[in-house]
Formats: sequence, C-alpha cells, structure tokens
Amino acid sequence: DAGITQSPRHKVTETGTPVTLRCHQTENHRYMYWYRQDPGHGLRLIHYSYGVKDTDKGEVSDGYSVSRSKTEDFLLTLESATSSQTSVYFCAISESTAGIYNEQFFGPGTRLTVL
Amino acid sequence: AQKVTQAQTEISVVEKEDVTLDCVYETRDTTYYLFWYKQPPSGELVFLIRRNSFDEQNEISGRYSWNFQKSTSSFNFTITASQVVDSAVYFCALSERTNSGYALNFGKGTSLLVTP
Repeated sequence: DAGITQSPRHKVTETGTPVTLRCHQTENHRYMYWYRQDPGHGLRLIHYSYGVKDTDKGEVSDGYSVSRSKTEDFLLTLESATSSQTSVYFCAISESTAGIYNEQFFGPGTRLTVL
Repeated sequence: AQKVTQAQTEISVVEKEDVTLDCVYETRDTTYYLFWYKQPPSGELVFLIRRNSFDEQNEISGRYSWNFQKSTSSFNFTITASQVVDSAVYFCALSERTNSGYALNFGKGTSLLVTP
C-alpha cells in the first residue's frame, strides 16, 4: 500500500472557523492532490501540487487554499469553513514521467462536518 | 470539456451473476488514460486498472475484465461470477491535462450490491 496518511480522520467544526487538513506521504511522489467527495458528484479536484511550493487550482477551489513546503506534506486550508464544505476529503499522490499519467493512490480520507 | 458518464447509478445482482459497469467518456486529447477505482463500504479508494488511449486490448485480471473501445468512447468493466465482497462503489476516471501535470476527472460512480 502507498504510504499516505491524512489527519485528522474526522473533524466537526463550526461555520466561520479555519480548518487545516494534512496529507503526508512517504513515497516521495512529485504530485499531490486534494479531492472532495459528495453524494451524487463523485470526486472533484480542489487543488493539486506538482512540486514543493508549486500548486494550482482545480475544479472546485473557491474557499480553499493549499501549501506544500516539503515534498511529503500537502496542507488544505479552509480559511472560514461553511456548511457547503461538509464533505469527505481525499488526498492522492502520483508520479508522472514524460507525459505518462500514472495511477493516483489515495489516502484514507477525512470526514469534515461544518455545523 | 472532459466528461465521464457512468449512467448506472445502482446495480443489484445475486452472487455468481456476471455484471458489467458502463463508462463513457468525452475528451479532445489524443493521448489520454482511463482508470477504474473501487470504493468498498469501508471508504478507501482502491486502484484497479489504468489503460492508455493507444492500447485497445482487453484486459483480464481474475474475475475482472475491461473492454476499451475507442470507437464508442467506452471503457466498460465486467465482473464475472460476482461475490459479496465485490459490493462497492466503482468509479471510472479520465486523465485531464492541467497547466502543469494532470488530474483525474471522475464519473459519479456506480454502486454495486451483490447479495447472497
């Protein structure tokens, strides 16, 4: 199994509070991703990173920011959580070489509830 | 725009039946990759297969098989002699080029229930 951990695994917070989710990998993969999973929507990309300090937006990036100061860690921050951000958040990693899109491996997920 | 359609929202079969999960995609890329993932009730996402757009050979892995047809933009997944442990949500995904790499564009998933 790919070495990917997410913390916390569960969190309940209140509207308006900041929240940071952490993804940690031990595979030294270049690419890291944050997705959210909601009923009826499958998984949707929030942000991704293609190297240390290199990040870009995904399909549903509004209200989220990310940071990657080390290869192994990718942080997702909700600056001011809203109820619409209640979801399950998955981190994924992959390695890509010369245009070959390798599979992504996913962490166990974080269930976030915003009251 | 890239798009992945899994028209079957839920499928229910009895153990030992064969079942096919459909996946239809849209892309303008000439080179692309297709994937299937399994999400069992425990919630983790498990990678099953990757297929690139230049390889239309069917793939078989035990009871699982995949049929890739570029002409119909489909990448269907068949489970032969289904078992209760196959009960899960299955996602089809398409690679999507980004400014600096790629991401996965997922279908909404098909929930498969296999009953004894």
